[in-house]
Amino acid sequence: DIQMTQSPSSLSASVGDRVTITCRASQTIGSHLNWYLQKPGKAPELLIYGASNLQSGVPSRFSGSGSGTDFTLTISSLQPEDVAAYYCQQSYITPVIFGQGTKLEIK
Amino acid sequence: EVQLVESGGDLVQPGGSLRLSCSASGFTFSSHWMTWARQAPGKGLEWVANIRQDGGASSYLASVKGRFTISRDNAQSSLYLHMDSLRAGDTAVYYCVKTTYSSTWDTYYYDYWGQGTLVTVSS
Repeated sequence: DIQMTQSPSSLSASVGDRVTITCRASQTIGSHLNWYLQKPGKAPELLIYGASNLQSGVPSRFSGSGSGTDFTLTISSLQPEDVAAYYCQQSYITPVIFGQGTKLEIK
Repeated sequence: EVQLVESGGDLVQPGGSLRLSCSASGFTFSSHWMTWARQAPGKGLEWVANIRQDGGASSYLASVKGRFTISRDNAQSSLYLHMDSLRAGDTAVYYCVKTTYSSTWDTYYYDYWGQGTLVTVSS
C-alpha cells in the first residue's frame, strides 16, 4: 500500500499568516493527490483535486502544488474560518489512503 | 443540490451485523462510482470500499474484506454497506461519498460527503 505522510501534525498560526502543509507519498503518484478540510463536528470537504485544481466554491487563498511524491497545500492568508483538520489523499491506486491529518488552529 | 443521507448506524455487539444505507439526490447517481469512508472517534479518515457505476466491480480495505459488502440500487439512488462479524475496531462514523472522475485531469476525487452515521461495536 502507498503510505501518505503529512507534516506538521498540528499547527498554530495567526490570522493573515501564510500557512503551508506538506504531504509525501511513499511512491510516485503523479498528480493523483487531493486535499480536504474537516471542520470540527462536520463532514470533510474537498479543497483541491489533481494536486493543484481548486474545487468550485473554494476560496482562492487555498492552493495546491506538487507532483510525484511531494505535495503542498498553501493558505495564502489564514482566516478564522480555516480552523480545521486538513487531509491529503492519494487516488492513484486502491486502497485509497489518507494522510494522518494536520490540525490547524489560530494563535 | 447534492445530498447524501446515511442511516442505519447503531450500537451492536461484537460479532454482530448491520446494514448502512445512503440515499442520494441532486446528481445522476448511476453515473458515479460511490465510496464508503469512516472515521474512528478522534482519529483520521479511512477509505472502506468503493463500487463502480453498474455495481459490477468493487474494492475493499483489507481489514474489512470478507466481512463487509458494498452494493447499490441505481433505480433507488441508494448505496449500501452490509457489515458482518463486526469488531470493536470498526467503531466509527461511516460516510457515504460521491466519487467524481475528471477526464481532463484523469483523476478521481471525493466531491460530496454525507454527514455520516455512527456505528458503535461494544458489548
